[in-house]
Amino acid sequence: SAELTQDPAVSVALGQTVRITCQGDSLGKYYATWYQQKPGQAPVLLIYGENNRPSGIPDRFSGSSSGNTVSLTITGAQAEDEADYYCNCRDSSGSLVVFGGGTKLTVL
Amino acid sequence: EVQLEQSGTEVKKPGESVKLSCEGSGYTFSRYSIHWVRQMPGKGLEWMGTIDPRNSYSNYSPFFQGHVTISLDQSINTAYLQWSSVKASDTAMYYCARSSGYYSLLDYWGQGTLLLVSS
Repeated sequence: SAELTQDPAVSVALGQTVRITCQGDSLGKYYATWYQQKPGQAPVLLIYGENNRPSGIPDRFSGSSSGNTVSLTITGAQAEDEADYYCNCRDSSGSLVVFGGGTKLTVL
Repeated sequence: EVQLEQSGTEVKKPGESVKLSCEGSGYTFSRYSIHWVRQMPGKGLEWMGTIDPRNSYSNYSPFFQGHVTISLDQSINTAYLQWSSVKASDTAMYYCARSSGYYSLLDYWGQGTLLLVSS
């Protein structure tokens, strides 16, 4: 099955822009989805499809893709954005789901 | 309001059986698949498998196939994740989540159930 690769940790200065990436073979075939997980909480849907946000997700969060890489961009990071971010997607067979290893975002 | 309500913390000894539940409300339960996701202490999310209420078809990650069983009771809008014999390595938080049309898009999540396995 496919694997999704994320950088384990990323940091950003308060108010600056940060990009979190996710790489995998199946990303060229299937849409990825992004989730945010804060300590002690369940994951929350963040970005899905080409670049869609559920109701309630701030517009500073956006998604993009290029080939086998998808990116989550936070424009003007806030202190409350400090969290773990996960991507997921179908695997190359289309019948399974895989998650990236997660990226821990620190807002300095 | 869509909600997935999971059962409470379970503390088990190795070799015991356990069944976690996930009750859906605020939507038509039969129309959306339920997925189960494991998160071991301090680790990332791992997809375990899913079940489709429309046909009761279940699909498992090869890593979890044969170790757990996912099932449904549609009469009470509830999905289950069960083990016949748990091990210490099954200690983790387990989340259920609903997929909204697109297979891997998990739009609503339960609050999680902590399973502690210790002798």
